[in-house]
Amino acid sequence: KNEVEQSPQNLTAQEGEFITINCSYSVGISALHWLQQHPGGGIVSLFMLSSGKKKHGRLIATINIQEKHSSLHITASHPRDSAVYICAVTSNYQLIWGAGTKLIIKP
Amino acid sequence: DAGITQSPRHKVTETGTPVTLRCHQTENHRYMYWYRQDPGHGLRLIHYSYGVKDTDKGEVSDGYSVSRSKTEDFLLTLESATSSQTSVYFCAISEGGHITDTQYFGPGTRLTVL
Repeated sequence: KNEVEQSPQNLTAQEGEFITINCSYSVGISALHWLQQHPGGGIVSLFMLSSGKKKHGRLIATINIQEKHSSLHITASHPRDSAVYICAVTSNYQLIWGAGTKLIIKP
Repeated sequence: DAGITQSPRHKVTETGTPVTLRCHQTENHRYMYWYRQDPGHGLRLIHYSYGVKDTDKGEVSDGYSVSRSKTEDFLLTLESATSSQTSVYFCAISEGGHITDTQYFGPGTRLTVL
């Protein structure tokens, strides 16, 4: 079993929908990261969080340390949000990566 | 923009040939990393460096070596490429200086080993 699991693996939605991507982990962590990989391949860090919630534009990331779970939300989704979203956790001075969630937003 | 470039961006080579990929940064960050990304897998760490001439292995280091003779350059070498090393290779830096701080990635190198 992977230490970092993301769900769903694939998600297709219509423009304007509210999107939720989940990340669950089974190890003790000091931080959790969300990254975005564009269709062209570039990888961008979105958030690093260790508690509570962070917001940047239409993106919101939350984490529940007790439940070992994080969610990434996208409000008013747009086709340009189509990408792979990757969750990674910091545990014992290592980064453990999830396999990613592929999101497609249709106009 | 952390000023990270990778070269070449695409390479096709034959099994058994040596290959060197270059990562260059302009911000003097101490930590640099090489990852590979394959379908169905998350990013997997190959090697990382925490300073000039200071490197360490990641989880998939077999078949790879690295060198860092200058702060700005981190080289990844496949001594004798194999088809299993066909992958997309990403270089990254840690802005905060620690392996687990926010990482910034280069554009990637797509390597095909025939």
